[in-house]
Amino acid sequence: GENVEQHPSTLSVQEGDSAVIKCTYSDSASNYFPWYKQELGKGPQLIIDIRSNVGEKKDQRIAVTLNKTAKHFSLHITETQPEDSAVYFCAARLSNFGNEKLTFGTGTRLTIIP
Amino acid sequence: NAGVTQTPKFQVLKTGQSMTLQCAQDMNHEYMSWYRQDPGMGLRLIHYSVGAGITDQGEVPNGYNVSRSTTEDFPLRLLSAAPSQTSVYFCASSYRSLGGADEKLFFGSGTQLSVL
Repeated sequence: GENVEQHPSTLSVQEGDSAVIKCTYSDSASNYFPWYKQELGKGPQLIIDIRSNVGEKKDQRIAVTLNKTAKHFSLHITETQPEDSAVYFCAARLSNFGNEKLTFGTGTRLTIIP
Repeated sequence: NAGVTQTPKFQVLKTGQSMTLQCAQDMNHEYMSWYRQDPGMGLRLIHYSVGAGITDQGEVPNGYNVSRSTTEDFPLRLLSAAPSQTSVYFCASSYRSLGGADEKLFFGSGTQLSVL
């Protein structure tokens, strides 16, 4: 089955700086890669996703890049703000399967230092 | 539109006790699932359902039962609680279009369970 590794497990950045979280996956057939953000005391929420027919996707201050050859994808947050402090999960699966095949990474706790 | 509602938020059990975690969604989602979240292990799928009357096992199903009698509800039962089941449990639901774009998972706010 799919295996997703996520690094780093914790990350602290100064407010206004950029943050990058990286994930690698094992199944070369995977082609759907979502990112979820979990704020304290809440359930995860989808913040951005990418399918393998594109290499990069942006939504305001967040972007995801995908390197299919190397089987890794990354989340980039620019101009970080205190509200970006949360746990972030990457995930991977084949897009023509359901969410029962979604494999999550182990999470990155991001702390923004004011 | 309440989304995904989980109850209770917190629960303490003694080893061997049984209990049911409740999950309800009001978005008419076909797919519902239960995850457990443990430090350093991410989100692991316990059981899932692709429609009323249909359930299947995920990655870590042992010690848990589920049923899906309606589209809205998907309760998770712990038959005989063990300390290894101490965790945070999340219910999640989504549409099921198998390759379509509108498949994002909606999560409940979680249940913190401690088994002593």
